Amino acid sequence: SQQGEEDPQALSIQEGENATMNCSYKTSINNLQWYRQNSGRGLVHLILIRSNEREKHSGRLRVTLDTSKKSSSLLITASRAADTASYFCATAVQRQLTFGSGTQLTVLP
Amino acid sequence: NAGVTQTPKFRVLKTGQSMTLLCAQDMNHEYMYWYRQDPGMGLRLIHYSVGEGTTAKGEVPDGYNVSRLKKQNFLLGLESAAPSQTSVYFCASRKSGGPDNEQFFGPGTRLTVL
Repeated sequence: SQQGEEDPQALSIQEGENATMNCSYKTSINNLQWYRQNSGRGLVHLILIRSNEREKHSGRLRVTLDTSKKSSSLLITASRAADTASYFCATAVQRQLTFGSGTQLTVLP
Repeated sequence: NAGVTQTPKFRVLKTGQSMTLLCAQDMNHEYMYWYRQDPGMGLRLIHYSVGEGTTAKGEVPDGYNVSRLKKQNFLLGLESAAPSQTSVYFCASRKSGGPDNEQFFGPGTRLTVL
C-alpha cells in the first residue's frame, strides 16, 4: 500500500508562478524526501527533511514537515518551463523508502 | 562516473518466458533496490539488498527473484513472466549508514509482457 498520498494529482501553472504540492503519510518516519521524475527518466533526489525539522530550503525549493498531521509540502518558487515533471514524496523508515503516487506539474511558458 | 545503469532499456516478452534485468552501480554503495512503477502510481519496492550476498523482500516480491553476487550488481529475475508484470522497472542504490542517505536511480527498463 502507498504510504504517501499526494495532492493534487496534477497541477498546471504559468511560468513565474509558485507551485505547491502536498504529501500525507500514515506511519512514523525517519525523514521525508522529495524526488523529481522527468518523462521517461529515472527519479532524481531534490531535498530531504528529517523528522525533527519543520522547514528546509534549497534554492527555489521550500519543504515543510508537520509530523503531528503527518503531512509535508513542497513549494517551488518562480517556476520555469524546465520544472515540468512529476514530483514524488517518499517516506524513509530504516532502510526503505515508500513513495507516494506523485504530482504531475506542468509549467506553461 | 556512470552512476546507476540498467540493461536492457526495453524488452518485450511472451507470457511464460523468463528474463533477467541487470543493475550496476559504480559508487561503491552497500544498498541496492528494485522498484516497479505502474501508470499513475509511485514506485513500489520489489526486493532490496543491504550488501553483497544479502537480499530481502519488499512490498511486491511475488513472481520475482534477485541476486547480489557482486557488490556493484543487483539482478532481478522473472522466472515465468505474466502480463501483470508489464511495468517500468527502476533500480536504485545508496550508501549504508542512517536513513538520511538519498537513493540514486537508474534510467529504468520498460518491460512489456504479451
